Amino acid sequence: EPEVTQTPSHQVTQMGQEVILRCVPISNHLYFYWYRQILGQKVEFLVSFYNNEISEKSEIFDDQFSVERPDGSNFTLKIRSTKLEDSAMYFCASSPGRSGELFFGEGSRLTVL
Amino acid sequence: AQSVTQLGSHVSVSEGALVLLRCNYSSSVPPYLFWYVQYPNQGLQLLLKYTSAATLVKGINGFEAEFKKSETSFHLTKPSAHMSDAAEYFCAVRYNFGNEKLTFGTGTRLTIIP
Repeated sequence: EPEVTQTPSHQVTQMGQEVILRCVPISNHLYFYWYRQILGQKVEFLVSFYNNEISEKSEIFDDQFSVERPDGSNFTLKIRSTKLEDSAMYFCASSPGRSGELFFGEGSRLTVL
Repeated sequence: AQSVTQLGSHVSVSEGALVLLRCNYSSSVPPYLFWYVQYPNQGLQLLLKYTSAATLVKGINGFEAEFKKSETSFHLTKPSAHMSDAAEYFCAVRYNFGNEKLTFGTGTRLTIIP
């Protein structure tokens, strides 16, 4: 069964460092998302991406964040200068259409020291 | 703004007892509704979804949910709880117009008592 894959599963970084989280969405899906979940809290929307551009982003997704689909298969989330409060589980998701279910990856746990 | 409210951040039931996890949505337009489950240290797995077809939706692992427009509810139930059902459950809403993001509720942690 097709699945969304994410790498790395866990990354530890120093505050101020750049981090890139990678995702391979399901191949025929058209909509891509990043969500995050701070430990013990709800799953929060970060950004949606369609047709090679951001279609919506939340207040969390400030100038420190960027997304890219560089080669038609990978979907990346970059955090330019990490802060302690960026420590969270980051989930990538993809969807075949506007209104169907989202398929989530297993998540990438980011720890900022 | 679209939202879902999950009543009860923690629910405990005895093994074999009925599981009822509550979810209410806010919208004048019927949304698409989902229940996701998250087992410890794992990702989000879809349990079931309502997309304007049958109002009673059956999902995996014996769970089902009923869409009630009059109550703006989409409660999750399972007749008989199993130890393996212990997890965090998230209700989520999505609309087929405007933005297409999924908005999650705050989650309900289900504990099963042996």
